[in-house]
Order: sequence, then structure tokens, then C-alpha cells
Amino acid sequence: NAGVMQNPRHLVRRRGQEARLRCSPMKGHSHVYWYRQLPEEGLKFMVYLQKENIIDESGMPKERFSAEFPKEGPSILRIQQVVRGDSAAYFCASSQTIGQPQHFGDGTRLSIL
Amino acid sequence: AQKITQTQPGMFVQEKEAVTLDCTYDTSDPSYGLFWYKQPSSGEMIFLIYQGSYDQQNATEGRYSLNFQKARKSANLVISASQLGDSAMYFCAMREGGAGGFKTIFGAGTRLFVKA
Repeated sequence: NAGVMQNPRHLVRRRGQEARLRCSPMKGHSHVYWYRQLPEEGLKFMVYLQKENIIDESGMPKERFSAEFPKEGPSILRIQQVVRGDSAAYFCASSQTIGQPQHFGDGTRLSIL
Repeated sequence: AQKITQTQPGMFVQEKEAVTLDCTYDTSDPSYGLFWYKQPSSGEMIFLIYQGSYDQQNATEGRYSLNFQKARKSANLVISASQLGDSAMYFCAMREGGAGGFKTIFGAGTRLFVKA
């Protein structure tokens, strides 16, 4: 199965630690999108990346959050100095080209103690 | 202003009956796509059905159909012959901008309960 792979599925961090979420897009997909889902809410767009480039990060908090999609390896969403409000499900999606259907991974559930 | 509105926080349906989940949207872009996703309790997002703004016919995928009323800006999901496994959260979503669009905007969701 060559779907979008996210790991870990669950991540627990203490306040102040760093969280690193990984996303491997579907084979042949070079466009990656990150979304955040707070409890009982819909997904909200965070950032859109192509290989080595951030195209749009308008939905990502300016502080503590960063994303990358290196030439080799998965896309990483990094949250520094996590706070309780960062607890959410983080979904990654990928597409072959812009405008094509986005395929979602199973998400990473981040819990902050 | 809300781009995607799902007015039903929760819905009940009897097994084997049909159910309609409401969705209205707001956009001034003539080119957009509408999506429905299912999120079971296990948490993954499962794509169900897609409707393009220029599509003449309503989309159908198995037991799912999308009742697209462009003038009313509504895109209701109809699930026929409900099954117990249909119990889940359902999200309506929209992507503006046609072939150049990438941001998918989600509604707040409707939780569907299928009764035996």
C-alpha cells in the first residue's frame, strides 16, 4: 500500500519539549499539505510545501512551528517548546500536482502533558 | 464569514434507511471543488466523494451521492441504505481556485449515528 504515511501515530510530549511529525507522501507526489484538527472541529490548513520549498504557510503559527520537505526523506512538521494548546491531530496530505485530489494520511495525535 | 457550514452537529438514522447530511458553502470563485470525508472513531480521514463546480451531473460513488445545488450553494451528502459501519463524523470541504487551488477548507462536521 503506497498511501500517505505518517508517523508516529501517537506522540506524547511534556510542555516545553519539541515534537517532530513525519509525513511520507504517496509515491510520485511532490506536493505536501499539513492540516491541524482540534478536538470536535474540522481540519484547518497550516502549510503547503513542494520539494525543498514552502509555498504557503499562511495557516501556520508564526512562532514555534516550522515545516520542511527536503529533497530526500519525509516532510517534517516541527513544533518547538510545545504547550497544552498544541494538543491536536495533525494530518498530512499529498497530491501529484497542485489542484489534483489530496490524499490524507492517518494523522498523528499529539498529546501534551 | 464561514466558508463551509454544516448545521447538523449530530444525526440519527435507522439502519437500512437513507440519510442526508447538509452542507452549504460560500465562495465568489467560479472554479471550486467540493468534497466529503468520513472520519471514523479510529481517526483517519477517508475520502468519499468529489463534485467540481462545472460538473453538470451530481456525483455518485456507490451508496454515496452528492446533491449539488449550485444556485443555492449547497452540496448535501446522501447515504443510501445506511449501515452500522457508517457511524462516524462526516466533513464537507471545499477547495477554491480550480486547477491552481490547494487550500481545502473544512466544515465543523456532522456526527452520524446509525441505529440497529
